[in-house]
Amino acid sequence: GAGVSQSPSNKVTEKGKDVELRCDPISGHTALYWYRQSLGQGLEFLIYFQGNSAPDKSGLPSDRFSAERTGGSVSTLTIQRTQQEDSAVYLCASSFGQLLINSPLHFGNGTRLTVT
Amino acid sequence: GIQVEQSPPDLILQEGANSTLRCNFSDSVNNLQWFHQNPWGQLINLFYIPSGTKQNGRLSATTVATERYSLLYISSSQTTDSGVYFCAVDNNDMRFGAGTRLTVKP
Repeated sequence: GAGVSQSPSNKVTEKGKDVELRCDPISGHTALYWYRQSLGQGLEFLIYFQGNSAPDKSGLPSDRFSAERTGGSVSTLTIQRTQQEDSAVYLCASSFGQLLINSPLHFGNGTRLTVT
Repeated sequence: GIQVEQSPPDLILQEGANSTLRCNFSDSVNNLQWFHQNPWGQLINLFYIPSGTKQNGRLSATTVATERYSLLYISSSQTTDSGVYFCAVDNNDMRFGAGTRLTVKP
């Protein structure tokens, strides 16, 4: 595809519900990242995939958060039993990772999650 | 993990002024990128610059990897330059600094 695609662009959910966020990386990109950005704040690292494996899950805030990637392409970030403090913009980015020396990171437009 | 510090946290300029933004990092890195987040939240890749100097129009960047810092120069600033500038470094995964919020006044 032309760029990193995230869906939905906006999600409003009630506290306690589960949500699933999707990221379609640029075709051929092996590395995929999830970040969270609260209003007016910087980017908080959540998880990183190289292919289908996640060498670094250290950024996931709690066990309510999980992520998977299948086929080395699409990734889903799942938040169970959402809380109001989960409200933020969730950003996905991809790159060629270790396949290329010059491999900049490209971002999607994010999913704005609001937990009421 | 690696620490990424950006300075200044906030910067207000008059249109036409020049500025320098700094990014310090605590360990060796495989790559470094500068991003601009516009008022609509979009993150735009400005430079991929693990070392050396690059220029793109009014913007240029220099990374001195041995001294663990990078600088982003903005010359003849315009109101459209407003937003947040982030530095991100790759030390096994990509970590971001807290950003510099730039406001350019007409």
